[in-house]
Amino acid sequence: IAGITQAPTSQILAAGRRMTLRCTQDMRHNAMYWYRQDLGLGLRLIHYSNTAGTTGKGEVPDGYSVSRANTDDFPLTLASAVPSQTSVYFCASSDRAQAGDEQFFGPGTRLTVL
Amino acid sequence: GENVEQHPSTLSVQEGDSAVIKCTYSDSASNYFPWYKQELGKRPQLIIDIRSNVGEKKDQRIAVTLNKTAKHFSLHITETQPEDSAVYFCAASETGANSKLTFGKGITLSVRP
Repeated sequence: IAGITQAPTSQILAAGRRMTLRCTQDMRHNAMYWYRQDLGLGLRLIHYSNTAGTTGKGEVPDGYSVSRANTDDFPLTLASAVPSQTSVYFCASSDRAQAGDEQFFGPGTRLTVL
Repeated sequence: GENVEQHPSTLSVQEGDSAVIKCTYSDSASNYFPWYKQELGKRPQLIIDIRSNVGEKKDQRIAVTLNKTAKHFSLHITETQPEDSAVYFCAASETGANSKLTFGKGITLSVRP
């Protein structure tokens, strides 16, 4: 693994199903983030984690949950997917939990909820 | 909370010309302003950033200027090339611990060959 990876690359999901998007980084970054990108709305923060064992809510957290059991992994779970969660999801990481550090983005997961 | 706006939403320039993309922000406490570039189908990547203790920063063909009094900052790209075509996002934040970036909605720059 080099940098930050996400899986799956894309997914089509029936409404009401549970889905976990995976994110892994090998840079030993303390902070990790989940964003969703929608046309015309830019990047909106869903949840974040400043360090392993801690998480926080971003701008649009409803319908999503996260966990941070270790430094490397930061999965995002949709407990019961709805069509409005159709989006491109980006995971990102940074060395420290402050905005003055560069955020490195994963390649994204394109999720379609029908 | 912070609100970051970008105008216009699209910009088209002729190859070789300069492009200027402007952003405004609302929170006077913000003091870190990065710019991210996202090529079609790719991930966003940081291209330049500026902190509030400087008014301008330059890196080859790109530069960023900051006006804290007016609460706006701009990305300047000189001698544009087709590979500059992308979506550009500005963002703003305080730099304290636990601070988070607020992104603008993005501007699509098209460089015509």
